[in-house]
Amino acid sequence: GQQVMQIPQYQHVQEGEDFTTYCNSSTTLSNIQWYKQRPGGHPVFLIQLVKSGEVKKQKRLTFQFGEAKKNSSLHITATQTTDVGTYFCAGRSTGNQFYFGTGTSLTVIP
Amino acid sequence: EPEVTQTPSHQVTQMGQEVILRCVPISNHLYFYWYRQILGQKVEFLVSFYNNEISEKSEIFDDQFSVERPDGSNFTLKIRSTKLEDSAMYFCATRTENTGELFFGEGSRLTVL
Repeated sequence: GQQVMQIPQYQHVQEGEDFTTYCNSSTTLSNIQWYKQRPGGHPVFLIQLVKSGEVKKQKRLTFQFGEAKKNSSLHITATQTTDVGTYFCAGRSTGNQFYFGTGTSLTVIP
Repeated sequence: EPEVTQTPSHQVTQMGQEVILRCVPISNHLYFYWYRQILGQKVEFLVSFYNNEISEKSEIFDDQFSVERPDGSNFTLKIRSTKLEDSAMYFCATRTENTGELFFGEGSRLTVL
């Protein structure tokens, strides 16, 4: 079945440092989404990328979809304590299901 | 803001018992999903449901699991005979036909003893 891996599994940063999580799929994706899950919470949609090589920005967050549509990244500039949580990518190849990545847990040290 | 509602928030059950988890999707959403998340692990796809039938299911979704939309509003996940390894947070998620964004409920925590 489809596998979506993320690295790193955990990341601890000082507040103000940058953070990047990488997502890799075993299959080509039609689109990819990113979600944030706060501790004890549920996943919350951040963004969807559809086009090869697409880059989207949301304030301090930059999302990128690879040219081959098999990988993606999320970069946070100047992290804040409110960025704490687990970031998941979710890839969709064919059909209706989205397969979630293994997640990157971000801890921001004030 | 519209939201997906799940009940119960927490259920404790004995191994071998049947459990039904309920979800009320956002009213104009057409695609429904169940995911589960074992504590500290990733969000795992179980099943997708569209047009009153299962459209896809994962290997996890075996004969012990079933879904239905009994009254046109609730979307339920039934586990017939729970096992210890079914202990997890179960999330319902829904989306409209036009956008891919999944809206998740708060989850139902299932503890099997």
